[in-house]
Amino acid sequence: DSGVTQTPKHLITATGQRVTLRCSPRSGDLSVYWYQQSLDQGLQFLIQYYNGEERAKGNILERFSAQQFPDLHSELNLSSLELGDSALYFCASSLLTDHPGAADYGYTFGSGTRLTVV
Amino acid sequence: EDKVVQSPLSLVVHEGDTVTLNCSYEVTNFRSLLWYKQEKKAPTFLFMLTSSGIEKKSGRLSSILDKKELFSILNITATQTGDSAIYLCAVCPNYGQNFVFGPGTRLSVLP
Repeated sequence: DSGVTQTPKHLITATGQRVTLRCSPRSGDLSVYWYQQSLDQGLQFLIQYYNGEERAKGNILERFSAQQFPDLHSELNLSSLELGDSALYFCASSLLTDHPGAADYGYTFGSGTRLTVV
Repeated sequence: EDKVVQSPLSLVVHEGDTVTLNCSYEVTNFRSLLWYKQEKKAPTFLFMLTSSGIEKKSGRLSSILDKKELFSILNITATQTGDSAIYLCAVCPNYGQNFVFGPGTRLSVLP
């Protein structure tokens, strides 16, 4: 157990629907990152939150949104789902950001949520 | 645009072989390079490299970074079937820690 908890583990839904993926970071970690991993794209950075605030955005579609709550858990909302959104969605957490040497800590990944859109 | 390239994308070897996995990168800034092993689900951390020429070693795995030529290699000696996984290289370009991942090398070790 990495300490990063993601739920649900699997999700099957129809096109056009909306789903919410949840992530609880490792205890003490303030930064949460969301990544999408599909077979042909590798791990793609979606968005980062630090202590409740959005810190960086990657290749995140407008149909997707996220937030980090005061207890530091995060949710990724995916709406108007398309077949191409089927992928493994990872959450990762790390210690402080913007701290010299913070980049050295690396990530701790959760086990991921496998989303299948049919 | 920041980019990480890994080669080969796929590799099949037999137990006992030695393999070398390559990672090259182009980023606007460089903080660190990390190697991860991904088996069934979550990537697990292997190494973090920040300085050129200093080998990091863990058992049969070792890695080194060349910041002048912008690449890193991951070596696995005396491979075992348990080494079968996708090996991911990631570069951290800035304090924001938005790691940029390569596509991974899928290693299959046959008995």
